[in-house]
Amino acid sequence: AQKITQTQPGMFVQEKEAVTLDCTYDTSDPSYGLFWYKQPSSGEMIFLIYQGSYDQQNATEGRYSLNFQKARKSANLVISASQLGDSAMYFCAMREGGTSYGKLTFGQGTILTVHP
Amino acid sequence: DAGVTQSPTHLIKTRGQQVTLRCSPKSGHDTVSWYQQALGQGPQFIFQYYEEEERQRGNFPDRFSGHQFPNYSSELNVNALLLGDSALYLCASSPPGGPDTQYFGPGTRLTVL
Repeated sequence: AQKITQTQPGMFVQEKEAVTLDCTYDTSDPSYGLFWYKQPSSGEMIFLIYQGSYDQQNATEGRYSLNFQKARKSANLVISASQLGDSAMYFCAMREGGTSYGKLTFGQGTILTVHP
Repeated sequence: DAGVTQSPTHLIKTRGQQVTLRCSPKSGHDTVSWYQQALGQGPQFIFQYYEEEERQRGNFPDRFSGHQFPNYSSELNVNALLLGDSALYLCASSPPGGPDTQYFGPGTRLTVL
């Protein structure tokens, strides 16, 4: 079974509008971390936001927020006020276990295109 | 403050050859992880190094090996290259004490002919 599922291969959004990128995860471990990364065409993975499984509040970082619904096992990324520079591939990832280290398991990614 | 650096940027090899990729972690980081990203896919975890030891390993054959040096830099070695090893190889570093947010380098694009 897929540990991380991103069901949207591609998404389009108008500049200055908000967009939600979907991510569902599968784990039986009560302790885990969820991450979102942005990968422009240059290839470098850029860290955007982190949510721990025990965090009570949804994480926010500037224009990025993570809509964490634990019971539904979803961790959607919301980008507000989209900019042309947001056009990139976006990956959701999970680290399982209570340690502060360990492998990240990535989804297949969603390509976001921002139109002017 | 330099981020994660990787060398070389691009590499072309032929089947059966061996390759070494290099990674310098972000300043202050002591843990290095390596990932393989095939075209159009998400990265796949190869292994993680901490205190010069392999701490965790993904589902990759023994042809993939690594090393971490006392200055925390790392190498990824791949022997007996196959066409399927063509990919972007990403190195990520993370700081001591957690949380384990991994910061990635620009990657090395390996092409096996």
